[in-house]
Amino acid sequence: QSALTQPASVSGSPGQSITISCTGTTTDVGGYNYVSWYQQHPGKAPKLLISEVSHRPSGVPDRFSGSKSGNTASLTISGLQAEDEADYYCSSSTSANTVIFGGGTKLTVL
Amino acid sequence: QVQLQESGPGLVKPSQTLSLSCTVSGGSISSDDYYWSWIRQPPGRGLEWIGYIYYSGSTYYNPSLKSRVSISVDTSKNQFSLKLRSVTAADTAVYFCARVGWNDGKFDPWGQGTLVTVSS
Repeated sequence: QSALTQPASVSGSPGQSITISCTGTTTDVGGYNYVSWYQQHPGKAPKLLISEVSHRPSGVPDRFSGSKSGNTASLTISGLQAEDEADYYCSSSTSANTVIFGGGTKLTVL
Repeated sequence: QVQLQESGPGLVKPSQTLSLSCTVSGGSISSDDYYWSWIRQPPGRGLEWIGYIYYSGSTYYNPSLKSRVSISVDTSKNQFSLKLRSVTAADTAVYFCARVGWNDGKFDPWGQGTLVTVSS
């Protein structure tokens, strides 16, 4: 199974908004609402940001939001802050009862 | 709250078997609501799902690793384990364990990860 497609890098200035896309197929992203997003700082374990496309766990700032259209899911970060600089990964369940991750996106806060 | 901790050798020789365990604390591994998963991350690269197990023993694996991997569970120790056979340098990675919701697919929480290097 190939990784979900994410842009390798995105950047934005403090206070701006950015969006990271995650493109799959009808057998994963497009077929299920089990899409999650994770934030990973260097040397740390990934941290859950969004589950089930758009559900934000308690403790995650409302600056982080998720959505999906067709085979593409998106993570939007509004009001960028310096501490948002990290790697971001999407994941999806698949029709084969497996899991697939995106290739990851490095966010740089300028 | 539930915490996960990986343990095992940090160095494995090529062609040998990589073995890791994940100890779950603060909750039971025998919950109906969760799978227990292994994920790895080669240095400087992205996350790769290895597989997961239900407390009953049902397993699901990444097709690209299925021929070499096995995941088992020991409910008496509240642990689950990973074995990866015939390793090569390409299997060098940080290995994470994580809990996965069966009805939402979310990986949470994660262990801190453990680096396994394959080298002679």
